[in-house]
Amino acid sequence: SQTIHQWPATLVQPVGSPLSLECTVEGTSNPNLYWYRQAAGRGLQLLFYSVGIGQISSEVPQNLSASRPQDRQFILSSKKLLLSDSGFYLCAWNLGDTGELFFGEGSRLTVL
Amino acid sequence: GESVGLHLPTLSVQEGDNSIINCAYSNSASDYFIWYKQESGKGPQFIIDIRSNMDKRQGQRVTVLLNKTVKHLSLQIAATQPGDSAVYFCAALYSTLTFGKGTMLLVSP
Repeated sequence: SQTIHQWPATLVQPVGSPLSLECTVEGTSNPNLYWYRQAAGRGLQLLFYSVGIGQISSEVPQNLSASRPQDRQFILSSKKLLLSDSGFYLCAWNLGDTGELFFGEGSRLTVL
Repeated sequence: GESVGLHLPTLSVQEGDNSIINCAYSNSASDYFIWYKQESGKGPQFIIDIRSNMDKRQGQRVTVLLNKTVKHLSLQIAATQPGDSAVYFCAALYSTLTFGKGTMLLVSP
């Protein structure tokens, strides 16, 4: 069966510090991978998605970046965090011919 | 652009009642819709989906209704239980899944 893991689950970082959130998927090949952010208003905002290694599409301009160094690994990064980067970050995957997304458990980031 | 929204931010029901959560979408180009449930501090979980060639689909205690004429989607939960308390999102598939803002369902015993 397929599983998705993301870590860390909780992170408290000072403004201006770097960020690295990691997500891996097991049990499938060539998944589409996604990073969402969920702010206090509960909505899910798509940040990045990837259909293959090294292929990253950005949905919104920001000081975050994403990378996909391996088929089932997706990393969300920042060189310098802003207060507004605080939120709940969710990694998700699906296969190219289905719409249903499978989400990880989320990473809660607090920038102080 | 596409937008997907829900009509109410919070819905409070009594245990045992039926719950109805509504959602409207703006772009009729989508042919696939999903409802997700998100419990506090967790990732969203798939509940039920429906394709545009259907107007109703039933699962265990849940039913999704799709009205393409008015671009409206609803989730019905029968005999709502305290464990159903969560935020519910509708999502429509365009190039990627576009989510609504969510409705918080509160179930009181």
